Amino acid sequence: SQKIEQNSEALNIQEGKTATLTCNYTNYSPAYLQWYRQDPGRGPVFLLLIRENEKEKRKERLKVTFDTTLKQSLFHITASQPADSATYLCALEGDYKLSFGAGTTVTVRA
Amino acid sequence: DAGVIQSPRHEVTEMGQEVTLRCKPISGHNSLFWYRQTMMRGLELLIYFNNNVPIDDSGMPEDRFSAKMPNASFSTLKIQPSEPRDSAVYFCASGPGGGGETQYFGPGTRLLVL
Repeated sequence: SQKIEQNSEALNIQEGKTATLTCNYTNYSPAYLQWYRQDPGRGPVFLLLIRENEKEKRKERLKVTFDTTLKQSLFHITASQPADSATYLCALEGDYKLSFGAGTTVTVRA
Repeated sequence: DAGVIQSPRHEVTEMGQEVTLRCKPISGHNSLFWYRQTMMRGLELLIYFNNNVPIDDSGMPEDRFSAKMPNASFSTLKIQPSEPRDSAVYFCASGPGGGGETQYFGPGTRLLVL
């Protein structure tokens, strides 16, 4: 069966450090993978999309990698700030729709 | 642009009552999605419309749930009759491309069925 797994534990980090989130998947062959941010009481907000032929994508302090051999994506937040505290969801394209992981909650301590 | 608009933002109802959730997608987007989010099951796709036509409703839990998109600017998700296990946050999202493309989510409707 298809499965998407994100870091099972919440991630607590010190301001200024790099947060690294993992998204592993099985029985998917996504043409691309997306990352979303969700704040409490709000809907998910799109952050980045990376295609299967791209190894890495950056947007400001965010970096995403995509390894289709390992079936894994890594999401990095560099120079983290308390405002980065949120839940981050990975989403895979498959059968012309998106399937979302459970999310990883990141808390950045000042 | 106003983004995706959902109403109501909160709904409290009693078991057995009919519930109607509403969504206005972003103008120009041709895909519309209804999701349900709970702590136990995460974010689940219920139904996907493209150009107002239902493409995939395999996520609709049972016949008590129905969704319509009468035109490009409006969609409804109806639960009849509602049950306590339907309590969740329901999100509407729209997108400019196909179902696997980037999606823009509304603020959600928090439903509590007593």
